[in-house]
Parts: sequence; C-alpha cells; structure tokens
Amino acid sequence: DAEITQSPRHKITETGRQVTLACHQTWNHNNMFWYRQDLGHGLRLIHYSYGVHDTNKGEVSDGYSVSRSNTEDLPLTLESAASSQTSVYFCASSERVAGGFGNEQFFGPGTRLTVL
Amino acid sequence: AQKITQTQPGMFVQEKEAVTLDCTYDTSDPSYGLFWYKQPSSGEMIFLIYQGSYDQQNATEGRYSLNFQKARKSANLVISASQLGDSAMYFCAMREGDTGTASKLTFGTGTRLQVTL
Repeated sequence: DAEITQSPRHKITETGRQVTLACHQTWNHNNMFWYRQDLGHGLRLIHYSYGVHDTNKGEVSDGYSVSRSNTEDLPLTLESAASSQTSVYFCASSERVAGGFGNEQFFGPGTRLTVL
Repeated sequence: AQKITQTQPGMFVQEKEAVTLDCTYDTSDPSYGLFWYKQPSSGEMIFLIYQGSYDQQNATEGRYSLNFQKARKSANLVISASQLGDSAMYFCAMREGDTGTASKLTFGTGTRLQVTL
C-alpha cells in the first residue's frame, strides 16, 4: 500500500544545531507540504513543493529550508534550531488533478521535535 | 483577517446524538475547496470530507455531512449518531484557487470533540 513516512518520529536537539526531518511518500504525488502544529495555532504551512526542483515558502518559513531532488522525498532542514521551533511537524502529499476534485492531502504520522 | 475560523475550542456530545462543528472562512477567490480532518489522540491526520465551491449539493460521507452555506461563508461539519471513537480534534481547512495550480491548505485552530456515554 502507498504511504507517507516521516523520520525520526521523536527528536531532541540543542539550540543552534542543524536538524533534518525526513519525509518519504510512495503515492507518487507531485505536491508535498510541511506543516508545524502548535497549541492554539492549528497547522501552519512551512514550505511546499509542486514538483521536482520546485520549492515555495509558506506562512512560517523563517529558519527552515527544503529541497526536492526527486518525487518521493522532501526533507525539512532547520538550519540552526531554536527553542521556538519545538513543535510537532507533519509532512503531507497530494496529487495535482484537474479542477473539480478535492485533491485532499495525505499526512504522515508526524515528528515531535524538542529543542533544548 | 483569519481565513479559517473555528470558534468552538471544545464540544461535548452524548453518544448517539448528532453534533455540529462550526467553520467559517474568508476568501475572495470564486474557486476554493473546504476540507475537514480528524486528529485522534494518537496524532495522525485523517481526511473526512470535501466540499468544492461550485458543488451544488452538500457533501456527505457516511455519518459525516458538510452543511455548506456559501453566502454565509460557512462549512459546518455535522456528525450524526456520535460514537466514542469520534472523540478527537477536528480541523477545518481551505484551499484557494483551482486544484491544478494551488493545492496548499490553510487550517483553522481546531475543535476538540468529546463524546460521552
């Protein structure tokens, strides 16, 4: 069965360290997204990609970067981790389809990141 | 202005009763889509239902229905015959623009639903 996986599921790191969160999908979807979830804010979009070599900034992109070298993967990098980046991170993917369809996003299980 | 507003931080409903979770949205784009997701305590995000802005009828998926009132810009989720397993966080989300060119979602802050015996 197709799926979307994230690793690690839990990560503790120190302020200032570089951290990379992995996201891998086997749906063969063109679109991939990274969100962070914090109490009182719901899910907020960090970065997204509509295809290989395409990346775009979302609502809360400062301090994060992504790159898309293939269809399956969109790793999220925190260049210099800050305590404010302690959060649960979700990766999602969706297909690009013609108008009239929902193209709902399929979510990974999430990564809980703690920055000390 | 908030693009997606969920005004109910928490709701209680008795088992077997129906419950409505409110969602209002703000957009000037004539083409948009509205989604509801469920997040149980285990943390995963589960897609429930979708409504397109041009859809003439309210969407239904099993016990879930979407009460879409376009003029009021509301897209309330109705869960009929609530079950204990419906206890979860529920998020409303909106996609603005045509699906082919703009797939990102904006989420509301969520409503926590607790189903009681």
